[in-house]
Amino acid sequence: DGGITQSPKYLFRKEGQNVTLSCEQNLNHDAMYWYRQDPGQGLRLIYYSQIVNDFQKGDIAEGYSVSREKKESFPLTVTSAQKNPTAFYLCASSIKGPNNSPLHFGNGTRLTVT
Amino acid sequence: SQQGEEDPQALSIQEGENATMNCSYKTSINNLQWYRQNSGRGLVHLILIRSNEREKHSGRLRVTLDTSKKSSSLLITASRAADTASYFCATDAGTGNQFYFGTGTSLTVIP
Repeated sequence: DGGITQSPKYLFRKEGQNVTLSCEQNLNHDAMYWYRQDPGQGLRLIYYSQIVNDFQKGDIAEGYSVSREKKESFPLTVTSAQKNPTAFYLCASSIKGPNNSPLHFGNGTRLTVT
Repeated sequence: SQQGEEDPQALSIQEGENATMNCSYKTSINNLQWYRQNSGRGLVHLILIRSNEREKHSGRLRVTLDTSKKSSSLLITASRAADTASYFCATDAGTGNQFYFGTGTSLTVIP
């Protein structure tokens, strides 16, 4: 079955440590996205990539980094510079950009930093 | 800032009733999409409506779009307990390269 896989489902880290969240898709989609979801705030865009080896900052990119070395993979690193990293992180992909192209989401990674 | 905003924030209805939720947005759009999210899971795409369309149906779902008022509504008819979830609208804000999500409506359908 085609889809998006995020791992792990739950992740715990100590403050000051970098952590990388995995996102893999086998849908052959060009575009991939990372969102952060906090209670009562909806989804906010962290980074997006429309093609391999290219990515752009979203609205809340500070303290995060990404890479897009392969079409299938778009890992997100939460660095120690991110002041409030505890959140639910969602990865998504689409065939092209948002024009007439729905998003397919993974089931998320819940990150807790103490 | 958020492009879309859903109303109401929470809605509780009896099974079999209809549920209506609204979305308002701020800038011109190419399309508007509705998504559903079960607790602790990813979002699932429900329906996409283009800016030149006024109404669209999919099963028990009916979506309307009024670009002059910058608003959309999602109607779920004959609701079921399994419809309990959060519902989000998303737009591209005319940018063609990003989606912007609202804060969601939490729907509870009581059996």
